[in-house]
Amino acid sequence: TAGITQAPTSQILAAGRSMTLRCTQDMRHNAMYWYRQDLGLGLRLIHYSNTAGTTGKGEVPDGYSVSRANTDDFPLTLASAVPSQTSVYFCASSGQAGGPHNEQFFGPGTRLTVL
Amino acid sequence: AQKVTQAQTEISVVEKEDVTLDCVYETRDTTYYLFWYKQPPSGELVFLIRRNSFDEQNEISGRYSWNFQKSTSSFNFTITASQVVDSAVYFCALSEAWDDKIIFGKGTRLHILP
Repeated sequence: TAGITQAPTSQILAAGRSMTLRCTQDMRHNAMYWYRQDLGLGLRLIHYSNTAGTTGKGEVPDGYSVSRANTDDFPLTLASAVPSQTSVYFCASSGQAGGPHNEQFFGPGTRLTVL
Repeated sequence: AQKVTQAQTEISVVEKEDVTLDCVYETRDTTYYLFWYKQPPSGELVFLIRRNSFDEQNEISGRYSWNFQKSTSSFNFTITASQVVDSAVYFCALSEAWDDKIIFGKGTRLHILP
């Protein structure tokens, strides 16, 4: 079982360009999350989705958008990238019962550099 | 509001020493969940433990143990007889029952020196 996959693994992006980070899970988990990890700041939640068709804002949602058209996919879009969005982005999911109160499974991360 | 504080930014110990990573949390809820995750140098995040607020029993798993004390709002993590493979960043996290989110602390970077 693949678990959670993220693409791309890394990307260098020019400021002002748009980009979509992809996340797919094969565990049929209802809840999915996007975090960014920055040195000294730990993991911060960007957006989340409790179930297909619903999304919510996390701690640092500005500049990002998400969609949840189906259970498996949860893409994160940067409409117009800025250098402060340089970070490592992790996608995660958690099991059907209990949502965020269960263990979260993380993808391998996407390292994004905005120049 | 919920908050997780890991006051130790970085710790270095010599192999085979015991080490405790501190985690203090704040919550207004009586029902909540606490977690520890490990992030080794390879970068992936690995779940270690989940504890709910009604279960204050300490947990031991091999060389790992967790001490949950509601009186001090702490959920500390101890590694006994540390090994170089324990070198990682460790995150404590909190989820309130009424909320859809989990909040992570800023992490403690642990170096185990050979």
